[in-house]
Amino acid sequence: AQTVTQSQPEMSVQEAETVTLSCTYDTSENNYYLFWYKQPPSRQMILVIRQEAYKQQNATENRFSVNFQKAAKSFSLKISDSQLGDTAMYFCAFMGASGTYKYIFGTGTRLKVLA
Amino acid sequence: EAGVAQSPRYKIIEKRQSVAFWCNPISGHATLYWYQQILGQGPKLLIQFQNNGVVDDSQLPKDRFSAERLKGVDSTLKIQPAKLEDSAVYLCASSLGVATNEKLFFGSGTQLSVL
Repeated sequence: AQTVTQSQPEMSVQEAETVTLSCTYDTSENNYYLFWYKQPPSRQMILVIRQEAYKQQNATENRFSVNFQKAAKSFSLKISDSQLGDTAMYFCAFMGASGTYKYIFGTGTRLKVLA
Repeated sequence: EAGVAQSPRYKIIEKRQSVAFWCNPISGHATLYWYQQILGQGPKLLIQFQNNGVVDDSQLPKDRFSAERLKGVDSTLKIQPAKLEDSAVYLCASSLGVATNEKLFFGSGTQLSVL
């Protein structure tokens, strides 16, 4: 069974600084997809960034980028130039490529951006 | 484009009572998920539908929880009878269900308090 682990329950960062959130996962599959979702206080989860395991190039979306280390089964999220609006819970998620579209989420990291 | 609709937004009941949650996914989305998110934890998949068929319900407590997705569109999740430990946010999500790198679209969730 797949598992997703986020070892940092809470983090804080000064506005305009850079912060990295950690995620590790365990799977026996070779093909899969990884995601970072943001959950603001409104509770509605929003996709931040996604990575296909077969791609070696790390995904980037504006201020958000990932460091994907397939051999280490590590998938960290880097937020550059942190903004107050980045304050939220961040969840790492895994989906196997077996075709069932089953998503598994980590326990989350609460990020607070300080003014 | 209308998002995933959920109702009610909040519900307070006493233990042993029954409760039902409703979800209307984005039009055309074949896959629908129900997640349970206990405070401070990541979303836990309860049940996953592909059209009106169940793909995964391995973590659904079937002695008290039931879910249906009639006609492959909207869905209801029921708890009967409720226990104190069922207090959580119940999130509904949907996706097109045609590719494994798809993002999920989430509703705002129903916050259930069992007293």
